[in-house]
Amino acid sequence: GESVGLHLPTLSVQEGDNSIINCAYSNSASDYFIWYKQESGKGPQFIIDIRSNMDKRQGQRVTVLLNKTVKHLSLQIAATQPGDSAVYFCAENIDTGRRALTFGSGTRLQVQP
Amino acid sequence: DAGITQSPRYKITETGRQVTLMCHQTWSHSYMFWYRQDLGHGLRLIYYSAAADITDKGEVSDGYVVSRSKTENFPLTLESATRSQTSVYFCASRDRGQTEAFFGQGTRLTVV
Repeated sequence: GESVGLHLPTLSVQEGDNSIINCAYSNSASDYFIWYKQESGKGPQFIIDIRSNMDKRQGQRVTVLLNKTVKHLSLQIAATQPGDSAVYFCAENIDTGRRALTFGSGTRLQVQP
Repeated sequence: DAGITQSPRYKITETGRQVTLMCHQTWSHSYMFWYRQDLGHGLRLIYYSAAADITDKGEVSDGYVVSRSKTENFPLTLESATRSQTSVYFCASRDRGQTEAFFGQGTRLTVV
């Protein structure tokens, strides 16, 4: 099975609220994690990454938290906007010779105006 | 145009036919990847390449072939298309030492 998964397939929030998208992973050898955003009909777009030696990383309106104890990753989006509506994927890079990402199945974020 | 481009964007083919999906990147990134995206499975790795003439299988490589004679191109060939290969295919590239992989717009392939 996949080593990266998500708790909620669909998340609906009101515009202006904060959103939290969660992800569980099972491979302790992952050296970094990435969140991607995918809008309908487009390819995934990089949002933010975090290395395994970090607990938190902030970007513009987004924060990623990594809890290695329980193998959990979350993406927090502040002041969610309609343009944030998309499918969000977490992905991990397992620290082997193959430098390819393993993706979870995705969470759809719906922002209600 | 700078970036990573895939062609065609849409393709319908018949079972048993050979079809090639093209991927071209202008950054001279070392790594290139092919993923397929199916509902409920996220993106699954088909093949990847660490450099020209270096390729390796991903988790769902059966029925696919790749080549990389030039750094900027990474075509994916379905040798004898099957209905189970109906999917959206994404090509991506990443530079050595960087974490961010850049994705193309995808090719929607339908095998009838």
